[in-house]
Amino acid sequence: DSGVTQTPKHLITATGQRVTLRCSPRSGDLSVYWYQQSLDQGLQFLIHYYNGEERAKGNILERFSAQQFPDLHSELNLSSLELGDSALYFCASSAGTSGTGAKYFGPGTRLTVT
Amino acid sequence: AQSVTQPDIHITVSEGASLELRCNYSYGATPYLFWYVQSPGQGLQLLLKYFSGDTLVQGIKGFEAEFKRSQSSFNLRKPSVHWSDAAEYFCAVGGVGAGNMLTFGGGTRLMVKP
Repeated sequence: DSGVTQTPKHLITATGQRVTLRCSPRSGDLSVYWYQQSLDQGLQFLIHYYNGEERAKGNILERFSAQQFPDLHSELNLSSLELGDSALYFCASSAGTSGTGAKYFGPGTRLTVT
Repeated sequence: AQSVTQPDIHITVSEGASLELRCNYSYGATPYLFWYVQSPGQGLQLLLKYFSGDTLVQGIKGFEAEFKRSQSSFNLRKPSVHWSDAAEYFCAVGGVGAGNMLTFGGGTRLMVKP
């Protein structure tokens, strides 16, 4: 158990809909990262938040957005969903922003868009 | 841009045999290198990391990896594989200036024969 929690575990929704994925980092960690894992793209970095502020963006679509709240939990919002958005979405956390810091991954949310 | 190549998509070894998983990276500065393992239906667990110092690093579950700058490689090894090691293994690179994001390889799926 990494200490990172993600809800829900599974999500099935229809095209065009909007969903919210939630992540709670390990106790004391200020950084939250979101990754998408799909069969064709592999593991891709989406976005990084540190203590409520966006720090880096990766291959995140404009239809996707994220935020980190004062209690440090984070939410990833996916809108106008397409079939190709079906994937496993991981949240990871780390203590700070150092690249040497270990990132601890949650169990993921499996999103299926039908 | 940083990248990671894991040349072997699948590897099958017999239980008790030694294992080496290959990882080659491309990164313009000093890389921070990581190996993660993902069991079916699970999140990613950090096995080991390298960012400086001794080029042979020890990790959990009896794994080790060797950083070879001249070959841009960070291969993962284990002297004797157990059936429970069957999983997917991901090599990742990060570093200063990478926005604290990790770039992952495509993964190597390890199967263990009894």
